Amino acid sequence: EVQLLESGGDLVQPGGSLRLSCAAPGFTFSNYVMNWVRQAPGKGLEWVSSITAPGGITYYADSVRGRFTISRDNSKNTLYLQMSSLRADDTAVYFCARGGFGVLSYLDYWGQGTLVTVSS
Amino acid sequence: EIVMTQSPATLSVSPGERATLSCRASQSVSNDLAWYQQKPAQAPRLLIYGASSRATGIPARFSGSGSGTEFTLTISSLQSEDFAVYYCHHYNNWPRTFGQGTKVEIK
Repeated sequence: EVQLLESGGDLVQPGGSLRLSCAAPGFTFSNYVMNWVRQAPGKGLEWVSSITAPGGITYYADSVRGRFTISRDNSKNTLYLQMSSLRADDTAVYFCARGGFGVLSYLDYWGQGTLVTVSS
Repeated sequence: EIVMTQSPATLSVSPGERATLSCRASQSVSNDLAWYQQKPAQAPRLLIYGASSRATGIPARFSGSGSGTEFTLTISSLQSEDFAVYYCHHYNNWPRTFGQGTKVEIK
């Protein structure tokens, strides 16, 4: 059974840093593109970042480029999102989502999300 | 960036009726278009990919159509569990973008 288990969400001050993790048991993690998508309170979905299966290529939304870093450890079946210079508008539930084998892939499984709140 | 525009923002439908949701892309995304359903306090769930292919376990009352810039999600006979927010999403290039969502509510 595919599972995506996010953790690491917390209350953080503006300008602070946080690292999110997504544990991914139940499938061959190293074969899949992985993604982060966020949802601000009461708002719609916003794609944040993606990383290819071997981990060599990363993609970012303009709103987070230069502040967030996506990475993966295929030996631990875990996806990460390192967030720095956090702003109030980064407040959201962050979802980990599985893509496909290639970059032109939809998001077929989602975790339950982890809440990041940026506030003083 | 490709802008995805969904209409209407809210759709009021009676149980058993048909619901038709629209999604328009600001430029062609071929058929690289997915639809997701989201209920309150839950993660999104994949319904449709490739514009018209149902995901595993999705009932046949959900169907998708379209290509290029115009797409439609149809729910043939609304059940109580179908009242939710629906998002379209393109995966044709970077950055990926989502529509703003259509809320399907009970009339």
